[in-house]
Amino acid sequence: QSALTQPASVSGSPGQSITLSCTGSSSDIGAYNLVSWYQQHPGKAPKLLIYDVNKRPLEISDRFSGSKSGNTASLTISGLQAEDEADYHCCSYAGNYIYVIFGGGTKLTVL
Amino acid sequence: QEQLVQSGPDLKKPGSSVKLSCKASGDSFNTYAINWLRQAPGQGLEWMGGIIPLFGTANYAPKFQGRVTINADESTSTGYMELGSLTSDDTAVYYCARGRVGTTGLWFDPWGQGTLITVSS
Repeated sequence: QSALTQPASVSGSPGQSITLSCTGSSSDIGAYNLVSWYQQHPGKAPKLLIYDVNKRPLEISDRFSGSKSGNTASLTISGLQAEDEADYHCCSYAGNYIYVIFGGGTKLTVL
Repeated sequence: QEQLVQSGPDLKKPGSSVKLSCKASGDSFNTYAINWLRQAPGQGLEWMGGIIPLFGTANYAPKFQGRVTINADESTSTGYMELGSLTSDDTAVYYCARGRVGTTGLWFDPWGQGTLITVSS
């Protein structure tokens, strides 16, 4: 099973809203409402932003939101800030054999 | 708040094995899975497998089945991952992460600090 597809890079200006996409298939994203998103700054461990498509841990800013349509999941960051510059990884459950599949990650640059 | 502290970096020869540890602080070690993931240089994340200490049975990604063993010691709140038959393709930062995988939810949080394993002759 191939990895989920994410754009390699995106950019935005401070204050803008930006949406990152993550495309899978009917065997993973399309089959389960079990998508999670992670933020990773250089040299650091990933940090959970969104789980189960659109749920947010208590400590995560409401500027981050998740959604899903068909086989594609999305992460929207509103009010872009300099500290949002990082890599973003999407992840989906893929059933009781593959279990977990990740995207290749998207590098977000804040101009 | 739960924290995960991993063992230190290591240099291994091709064909050898490596065993990493991940010590958890805080409560509820038994009730959530300890997962192992890795990230090769400049690459994305890859899930290797996980175990719920309370149940003791690990699940593995098909790619690593037969080459990886994941277990946990409840008495010390420590998870372990052993990977054998190492090649240069196994050079990566290895992470442990508490989490849930399955139809009950999917998340990894928190993460350990990561352990760099370099495989080279």
